[in-house]
Amino acid sequence: DSGVTQTPKHLITATGQRVTLRCSPRSGDLSVYWYQQSLDQGLQFLIQYYNGEERAKGNILERFSAQQFPDLHSELNLSSLELGDSALYFCASRVELAGGGNEQFFGPGTRLTVL
Amino acid sequence: GIQVEQSPPDLILQEGANSTLRCNFSDSVNNLQWFHQNPWGQLINLFYIPSGTKQNGRLSATTVATERYSLLYISSSQTTDSGVYFCMLLKAAGNKLTFGGGTRVLVKP
Repeated sequence: DSGVTQTPKHLITATGQRVTLRCSPRSGDLSVYWYQQSLDQGLQFLIQYYNGEERAKGNILERFSAQQFPDLHSELNLSSLELGDSALYFCASRVELAGGGNEQFFGPGTRLTVL
Repeated sequence: GIQVEQSPPDLILQEGANSTLRCNFSDSVNNLQWFHQNPWGQLINLFYIPSGTKQNGRLSATTVATERYSLLYISSSQTTDSGVYFCMLLKAAGNKLTFGGGTRVLVKP
């Protein structure tokens, strides 16, 4: 168990709909990262938040948005869903290591199916 | 952006065999991690290894940052080692995270 929690585990919805995925980082970790894993694109970094602020953006579509709340949990909002958005969505939190490095730990993922 | 290539893409092993997985990258990196994605989809940390060598049980990893590659060694493989192995890198400049395409491993009993 990585200590990172994600809900829901599975989500089935229809094209055009909007969904919200939720992530809670490990206790004490300030960063949350979101990733998408699809069959054709592999694992892709979407966005990072640190202590409530956006820190880095990857290949995140404009239809997707995220935020991190004062209690450090994060939500990823996906709107106007398309069939191609079907994927596993992971979040990760980061621990700072002595010596300046950092290590990420992944949650169990949310499997989104768009019909 | 940084290019990350993992090889081989697929590997079939007999239980008890040893193997080496490789991750080549095109630019200097701050962080490098190896993960195992099990058949249930969970991503499990194996190593944080931007340089040097680490060992954990039957697994070990070596990163030669100056030559831009990392190796993951699996010894005495077991069926529970099946899954996909990914390397993940954070580029030194630009804070950009990139995953390799993965090596899919199947260990047969």
